[in-house]
Amino acid sequence: AQTVTQSQPEMSVQEAETVTLSCTYDTSESDYYLFWYKQPPSRQMILVIRQEAYKQQNATENRFSVNFQKAAKSFSLKISDSQLGDAAMYFCAYRYNDMRFGAGTRLTVKP
Amino acid sequence: EPEVTQTPSHQVTQMGQEVILRCVPISNHLYFYWYRQILGQKVEFLVSFYNNEISEKSEIFDDQFSVERPDGSNFTLKIRSTKLEDSAMYFCASRELARGVADTQYFGPGTRLTVL
Repeated sequence: AQTVTQSQPEMSVQEAETVTLSCTYDTSESDYYLFWYKQPPSRQMILVIRQEAYKQQNATENRFSVNFQKAAKSFSLKISDSQLGDAAMYFCAYRYNDMRFGAGTRLTVKP
Repeated sequence: EPEVTQTPSHQVTQMGQEVILRCVPISNHLYFYWYRQILGQKVEFLVSFYNNEISEKSEIFDDQFSVERPDGSNFTLKIRSTKLEDSAMYFCASRELARGVADTQYFGPGTRLTVL
């Protein structure tokens, strides 16, 4: 079964600092997709970053980057220069056929 | 930038009533999805839809649920006889056909369903 695990229910970071959110997944497939979604209090799901499993290069989107370790089945999200607007729930997701989400990490940004 | 839209934003219904949640996917997208998020829990896959038929569904998507693309733009989720435990946020998502970067699913803002 394909499962996604986020072991940190809550994380906190000081504004302008860097924080890393962890995600591991379980799959027997070799070609799949990984995503990080942000869910602010409005509960909208906003795509933060995506990674194709066949690409070795880690994806980067401005202040957001991932550390994709395919052999370890790990997909962590690094947020640099954290801003108050980054405060939200962050969901890691795996997709081969349907999309599987982790339980989420609530990120608090302290001013 | 095109986006997925959903209506209504909040639906309140009595237990046992039928509800229809509506979604307008991004116009050139061909795969459509419904997800559910019970308050405080993770997002759960319900169903995917392609070429006018269900391509996959989860164990949550039982006979009480159905999906339809009644015209060229709308994609609906119907719950025939709502239960208290159907109270949740329901997200619609869509994506293009091709694999690769276009494989990304774009989510709508969600419909909050409250069953009393």
